[in-house]
Amino acid sequence: AQKVTQAQTEISVVEKEDVTLDCVYETRDTTYYLFWYKQPPSGELVFLIRRNSFDEQNEISGRYSWNFQKSTSSFNFTITASQVVDSAVYFCALSTGANSKLTFGKGITLSVRP
Amino acid sequence: DAGVTQSPTHLIKTRGQQVTLRCSPKSGHDTVSWYQQALGQGPQFIFQYYEEEERQRGNFPDRFSGHQFPNYSSELNVNALLLGDSALYLCASSRPSGTRNEQYFGPGTRLTVT
Repeated sequence: AQKVTQAQTEISVVEKEDVTLDCVYETRDTTYYLFWYKQPPSGELVFLIRRNSFDEQNEISGRYSWNFQKSTSSFNFTITASQVVDSAVYFCALSTGANSKLTFGKGITLSVRP
Repeated sequence: DAGVTQSPTHLIKTRGQQVTLRCSPKSGHDTVSWYQQALGQGPQFIFQYYEEEERQRGNFPDRFSGHQFPNYSSELNVNALLLGDSALYLCASSRPSGTRNEQYFGPGTRLTVT
């Protein structure tokens, strides 16, 4: 069985602060894919990043960066210099096959105050 | 390039009725997945369609059924509606297997059962 745990439920920061969203996953599969999605108040889930289990290189894309650690089954996501427009619910998700179903965590509500 | 579209945006039904939700995938995508998102929760996988066949199914009763058409668009049908079926229903599309498998979501259909 697959499981995604997002222990943080709500985070509030002041604009320009850095913020890290935590994600811990469980799977017995050796090949899997991890994702972060953003859900603004409009409701549409917006794809942010994707990581394969066989590629542990951590990357930075603009203000976004992520830290994938197989040893701790964690896939944390950091927003640098947060902006008010970053306010949304952020979901971590896991898939264990190409085009396979996504298993989501419960989401983290991020509020960025001006 | 149109993204994933869903109709209708909002729907109000009475307990016991039947409902049909529609989804058109992103251009170039042939796989459609449906998710149910209850208030304050992460999306839950209902089923996935590929080549007009149900390829995967989540833990949902047979009251939930679907269909995929030759143009890859899809429908989600829910019979004998219960109050607990009230949720945001999200459709996601993805590219053929073997390519980048991130799922792109539509804006969702908000279903209210009274």
